[in-house]
Amino acid sequence: SQTIHQWPATLVQPVGSPLSLECTVEGTSNPNLYWYRQAAGRGLQLLFYSVGIGQISSEVPQNLSASRPQDRQFILSSKKLLLSDSGFYLCAWRAGQAQLIDEQYFGPGTRLTVT
Amino acid sequence: SQKIEQNSEALNIQEGKTATLTCNYTNYSPAYLQWYRQDPGRGPVFLLLIRENEKEKRKERLKVTFDTTLKQSLFHITASQPADSATYLCALVLGFQKLVFGTGTRLLVSP
Repeated sequence: SQTIHQWPATLVQPVGSPLSLECTVEGTSNPNLYWYRQAAGRGLQLLFYSVGIGQISSEVPQNLSASRPQDRQFILSSKKLLLSDSGFYLCAWRAGQAQLIDEQYFGPGTRLTVT
Repeated sequence: SQKIEQNSEALNIQEGKTATLTCNYTNYSPAYLQWYRQDPGRGPVFLLLIRENEKEKRKERLKVTFDTTLKQSLFHITASQPADSATYLCALVLGFQKLVFGTGTRLLVSP
């Protein structure tokens, strides 16, 4: 069966510090991968998605970046965090089959607090 | 502008009753719509998908309707239980890769 992992689970970082969040998926190959952010009282906002190694699409201009160095690894980074980067970060995957509409599977999330 | 609206106020119902949650959208033309459940501090979990040419979809105690003319989806939980208490999110499928989520409605089922 498929499993998605995210770490760390919680993180408190000062403004201006760097960020690296990692997401890995097990039990599937060539998944589509997604990073979302959920701010307090707001819906999930799609940040990045990837359909393959090295292929990243950005949805929202910001000081975050994403990379996919391996098929089942997705990394979210920032060089300098802002207070507005605080939130609940969720990684998700779906089967990478073109033209197929199906559900996304979410990881447990990382709670980031920027102080 | 494009918007997805779900009732931001919590819905409080008694156990055994039917809960009905609403999702309205403007300036989108989704071919598919999905509903997810999210518990506090957890990632969303997929519940149901409905296509634009389907008026209704059922799964056990869950029922979803999709009216592309009204630009609205209704999500029903029949015979609700306290364990159904959670936040329910609707999501529009825009192309096969992207989901756009509403802010969710919190459901509280009292014993």
